Amino acid sequence: DAGVTQSPTHLIKTRGQQVTLRCSPKSGHDTVSWYQQALGQGPQFIFQYYEEEERQRGNFPDRFSGHQFPNYSSELNVNALLLGDSALYLCASSSRQVGYGYTFGSGTRLTVV
Amino acid sequence: GIQVEQSPPDLILQEGANSTLRCNFSDSVNNLQWFHQNPWGQLINLFYIPSGTKQNGRLSATTVATERYSLLYISSSQTTDSGVYFCAVARGSQGNLIFGKGTKLSVKP
Repeated sequence: DAGVTQSPTHLIKTRGQQVTLRCSPKSGHDTVSWYQQALGQGPQFIFQYYEEEERQRGNFPDRFSGHQFPNYSSELNVNALLLGDSALYLCASSSRQVGYGYTFGSGTRLTVV
Repeated sequence: GIQVEQSPPDLILQEGANSTLRCNFSDSVNNLQWFHQNPWGQLINLFYIPSGTKQNGRLSATTVATERYSLLYISSSQTTDSGVYFCAVARGSQGNLIFGKGTKLSVKP
């Protein structure tokens, strides 16, 4: 049973560029959430997708956007990258039917130079 | 919003020792999870425990929802237990997780 898979694992981008990160949820899960984790901090909630719609959003600017596809996979897009966007981006999936909390992927480490 | 406080922030143990990590939260929650983040960044779900007690091998956890705290017990610690332990809570079962700042555990051989 595949867990949550994220791609790519590492990424280096230049300030001002745009980036797309991808996430495939755990089998049987229908909800995908994205988190940003700066070095030495706990993860911060970005947004959550369910039924292809953004359901909840944290305190992140509009430069952060997302999408969920019919197969429940999701993308996180960040425009006009800033140096401060350098972080580990974590995807978490869950099931609204079953509960039992969230399962996290291994993350994408984004470095903005 | 809900505040989550974890203690201690840092913990150094000798292999074989036992430890207790604490998580206090400021409001009622329907989701509480303990995670272990390994040195490569992977967040591994240890327990989903909004209330009650659970055990998994050398690890166990207890959440007293009415008093708004949770405890994670690690017995007979091993070097592979090293890493950061996070407590995270959410109001609803599908609500966004709010993380504490974590407890950094170092187990020495």
